[in-house]
Amino acid sequence: QVHLVQSGAEVKKPGASVKISCQASGFTFTSYGINWVRQAPGQGLEWMGWISTYNGHTSYAQKLQGRVTMTTDTSTSTLYMELRSLRSDDTAVYYCARALVAASFDYWGQGTLVTVSS
Amino acid sequence: QSALTQPPSASGSPGQSVTISCTGTSSDFGGYNYVSWYQQHPGKAPKLMIYEVTKRPSGVPDRFSGSKSGNTASLTVSGLQTEDEAYYYCSSYAGSNNFLFGGGTKLTVL
Repeated sequence: QVHLVQSGAEVKKPGASVKISCQASGFTFTSYGINWVRQAPGQGLEWMGWISTYNGHTSYAQKLQGRVTMTTDTSTSTLYMELRSLRSDDTAVYYCARALVAASFDYWGQGTLVTVSS
Repeated sequence: QSALTQPPSASGSPGQSVTISCTGTSSDFGGYNYVSWYQQHPGKAPKLMIYEVTKRPSGVPDRFSGSKSGNTASLTVSGLQTEDEAYYYCSSYAGSNNFLFGGGTKLTVL
């Protein structure tokens, strides 16, 4: 059974950083890329970036370049997404999602709510 | 690239069929047939319903079907059921490891 289990909700002040974890189980970890997707309250889905669990290569959405870093720890089958210089419009539910094939995310984490507020 | 364009809402009665469109530019689809559709109920994570334009993951009813013509992809839900009421999002692979989502369509079953 494939599972992606994310860390808990976070409350951060503007300018701070947040690091969310996503622990994978139930599949061969290095065989699937992982994407991060976020959803602001009442809004649609926004693709943030992708990481290869095989070699750590990453690709980030242009609007987040310079503020986001995605990493992987193959020893614990855990992914991490760090977002820096947080702003109020970064308030969202953040999801990790396994890539079946390009643009096809077949398993999703439960989501992590990040609230940015002074 | 901007988000793919979806109608904000769609509706149909139980048993009817409804089609949701997803429009972009040729670069939004990257010349690939990597279009997916997701269903999202309130407070839940999205669920993959269609991938590679027409393929259904295991467990997705065959009432859900996908197609693409030119720069418009479509999701058709046949034999509408009350549990189909949800938000639906399209996504595409735009090339160079970039992905786009549509703005979402709220499907109401009347």
